[in-house]
Amino acid sequence: DTAVSQTPKYLVTQMGNDKSIKCEQNLGHDTMYWYKQDSKKFLKIMFSYNNKELIINETVPNRFSPKSPDKAHLNLHINSLELGDSAVYFCASSLEGWARYEQYFGPGTRLTVT
Amino acid sequence: RKEVEQDPGPFNVPEGATVAFNCTYSNSASQSFFWYRQDCRKEPKLLMSVYSSGNEDGRFTAQLNRASQYISLLIRDSKLSDSATYLCVVSYNNDMRFGAGTRLTVKP
Repeated sequence: DTAVSQTPKYLVTQMGNDKSIKCEQNLGHDTMYWYKQDSKKFLKIMFSYNNKELIINETVPNRFSPKSPDKAHLNLHINSLELGDSAVYFCASSLEGWARYEQYFGPGTRLTVT
Repeated sequence: RKEVEQDPGPFNVPEGATVAFNCTYSNSASQSFFWYRQDCRKEPKLLMSVYSSGNEDGRFTAQLNRASQYISLLIRDSKLSDSATYLCVVSYNNDMRFGAGTRLTVKP
């Protein structure tokens, strides 16, 4: 009965490859997010989706694209992976827009690009 | 100046100690404030929201000082299980910013 789940947990791949990370939440939340946590442990928002609509898109490379087939899923696709993409990627969800509500995070996907 | 700044620590304290963390933010119009906790190699989890009047949850007390633009977290009677990284989070409209975290280690 995991609230926010991500797959895979670990992802090791070579530069130039294309990969996807899946995220699902069973909380009935309206908004989902993707965060990147780099080696310095700094957590930075990448995207958020509210009812299938992108409401925030931070200045991330367009190699990264979020895809939301329905309210419960927000997948992250990454094209032409680079060494600097190595990080932990967290998916999260909240009841509504994030300003006032608790965010529930998934367990994270540790991406290593070699 | 970073939007949300925290002392990275580490703070190493004995069990039973009282420890306090501060966090400063640059946007004076910030509306909501939170403390999250992140254990090593785990996801962040909400510890507590921070209200203007200050709030307490057991051994944890959070305070907000809008004039000086900082929030604080006080942990009393530290337990070994309090060892973690504490993230300060500040939001304005739909923009939420995380601090880099303060690492706490509670030792026997």
